[in-house]
Amino acid sequence: QVQLVHSGAEVKNPGASVKVSCKASGYTFSSYHMHWVRQAPGQGLEWMGIIKSTGDIAIYAPKFRGRLTMTRDTSTSTVYMELSSLRSEDTALYYCAREFPDAFYFDYWGQGTLVTVSS
Amino acid sequence: QSALTQPASVSGSPGQSITISCTGTSSDVGGYNYVSWYQQHPDKAPKLIIYAVTNRPSGVSNRFSGSKSGNTASLTISGLQAEDEADYYCNSFTTSTTYVFGTGTKVTVL
Repeated sequence: QVQLVHSGAEVKNPGASVKVSCKASGYTFSSYHMHWVRQAPGQGLEWMGIIKSTGDIAIYAPKFRGRLTMTRDTSTSTVYMELSSLRSEDTALYYCAREFPDAFYFDYWGQGTLVTVSS
Repeated sequence: QSALTQPASVSGSPGQSITISCTGTSSDVGGYNYVSWYQQHPDKAPKLIIYAVTNRPSGVSNRFSGSKSGNTASLTISGLQAEDEADYYCNSFTTSTTYVFGTGTKVTVL
């Protein structure tokens, strides 16, 4: 069965960076795009970006450009999301979510990684 | 990119039908048939319930249906059940090759 397993919770100081991982299993990793979506406490879903199945193209939401980097490692079936210059407003649950190319929807989601930004 | 507009809350009695709207622009909802809907129960990850405006994934109840007119998409839940109480989010692909979520709607079963 398809599984997307996130790395553990993180606590970071303002100004620091965080790198969250999402390990995929149960399907052909290289055939699917991966998205990152975040949800601040008590708030709605926010789309952050996509890394394409080939790994060579990443598209980020305008508000994150310049401080967001998505990468993927085919050898370990893992995608990574690194967010820099953290501020308190980045405190959120960060989800990875899978998309079959040109499907334009997210069919499987990970359980999320909680990132807390606090001094 | 502004979030798509959804009503903050919708409620209904068991057995009734409710509809949640999702309003965007011609650059997102109105420009593509790539609207999807997600159900999220408390402390759970979102779950896909509708894709490409009207399609249901395998295993999703046929009580959920989607439609679109112009820049507004809609999700209808018929025969409302207690288990339908959750938050619902729409999502659309955009002309910027990005995606945008709706503001979210809390559904309460009275």
